[in-house]
Amino acid sequence: DAGVIQSPRHEVTEMGQEVTLRCKPISGHDYLFWYRQTMMRGLELLIYFNNNVPIDDSGMPEDRFSAKMPNASFSTLKIQPSEPRDSAVYFCASCGTGLSEQYFGPGTRLTVT
Amino acid sequence: AQSVTQLGSHVSVSEGALVLLRCNYSSSVPPYLFWYVQYPNQGLQLLLKYTTGATLVKGINGFEAEFKKSETSFHLTKPSAHMSDAAEYFCAVIQREGNTPLVFGKGTRLSVIA
Repeated sequence: DAGVIQSPRHEVTEMGQEVTLRCKPISGHDYLFWYRQTMMRGLELLIYFNNNVPIDDSGMPEDRFSAKMPNASFSTLKIQPSEPRDSAVYFCASCGTGLSEQYFGPGTRLTVT
Repeated sequence: AQSVTQLGSHVSVSEGALVLLRCNYSSSVPPYLFWYVQYPNQGLQLLLKYTTGATLVKGINGFEAEFKKSETSFHLTKPSAHMSDAAEYFCAVIQREGNTPLVFGKGTRLSVIA
């Protein structure tokens, strides 16, 4: 298995631009998670899905952030408009039936100037 | 609600010395327990986990952890540190048969000095 795939690996954009991060979970996994990691705040859970349905989005920082999972093999995290404080590494993770250990992607390093 | 406490945000050891990273959990019922490792510029990787059975769990790269119910702890150890062990280590817990995802500790950065 290729593991969790994220794209792009690096993204540099200017303040005010729309940013879309993509994730392909491990095939057969029912849960998908989006995290943000910064030096100041550590690892934060933003949102997670079960069978493509958002279960808990209480970690999404603002309305500028949105996430979708149109099918079992694809999810997006969108930031519109982006701000410099959104600069972070964004991770996607997935796990199988029954919440258990999660498998992480390599992350997308976002820099907003 | 469950919580995880990792004592020490940064631990420094000499190469060849014992590695001990501490993790305590707060839960009325013993949860499932995990250790993850994050190497620079990479995602988190599962190091080992405890669900049931033997309380001493062996993981990858020579690491092991022991679940101690009486101490609500799940400390991570390695007898002899290697330079390649330098990374961030995260302890995580999940409620048995629960409906909430992993709760992560804040992480401990391990430095290995030559």
